[in-house]
Amino acid sequence: DAGVIQSPRHEVTEMGQEVTLRCKPISGHNSLFWYRQTMMRGLELLIYFNNNVPIDDSGMPEDRFSAKMPNASFSTLKIQPSEPRDSAVYFCASSFGGRGYTFGSGTRLTVV
Amino acid sequence: GQQLNQSPQSMFIQEGEDVSMNCTSSSIFNTWLWYKQDPGEGPVLLIALYKAGELTSNGRLTAQFGITRKDSFLNISASIPSDVGIYFCAGQPYSGAGSYQLTFGKGTKLSVIP
Repeated sequence: DAGVIQSPRHEVTEMGQEVTLRCKPISGHNSLFWYRQTMMRGLELLIYFNNNVPIDDSGMPEDRFSAKMPNASFSTLKIQPSEPRDSAVYFCASSFGGRGYTFGSGTRLTVV
Repeated sequence: GQQLNQSPQSMFIQEGEDVSMNCTSSSIFNTWLWYKQDPGEGPVLLIALYKAGELTSNGRLTAQFGITRKDSFLNISASIPSDVGIYFCAGQPYSGAGSYQLTFGKGTKLSVIP
């Protein structure tokens, strides 16, 4: 299995632009999670899905952030408009019933 | 929400020494996980613990799920240079069926001096 696949690995964008991060979970996993990692706040859960349905989005910082999971093999995290304080590493993770919790390699986002 | 206190924040050790780090929580967890993160990569699962009191080993790594369900420790024996990285504990609270989010500690940065 290729593991959790995220793209792009790096993204540099100007403030105000729309950013879309992508994730392909491990085949057969039914839960998908988006995390953000910064030096100051560590790893924070943004949102997670069970069976493609958003369960808890209380970690999404603002309305500028949105996430979708149109099918079991794909999810996106969108930031519109982006701001410099959104600069961080964004991780996607997937699991099956809370087991086999696996992270992708992350997307390093820099907003200038 | 839940808070995880992980200690120490960082440690410098000589190659060959044993290492111990731990996490404590103000609330109960049903699962404890230990991850290692290398620079530029995502966290990689080292050990998963699912029962209070459980002691599990993975090579030179040993971890335990505390009896109170509020703490866990990770030991690394005979450290080697490739053990360098940041180690995270993570707890999975029971919040109802289908609720599997993790709460992470702030990490322990391990440096191994050859």
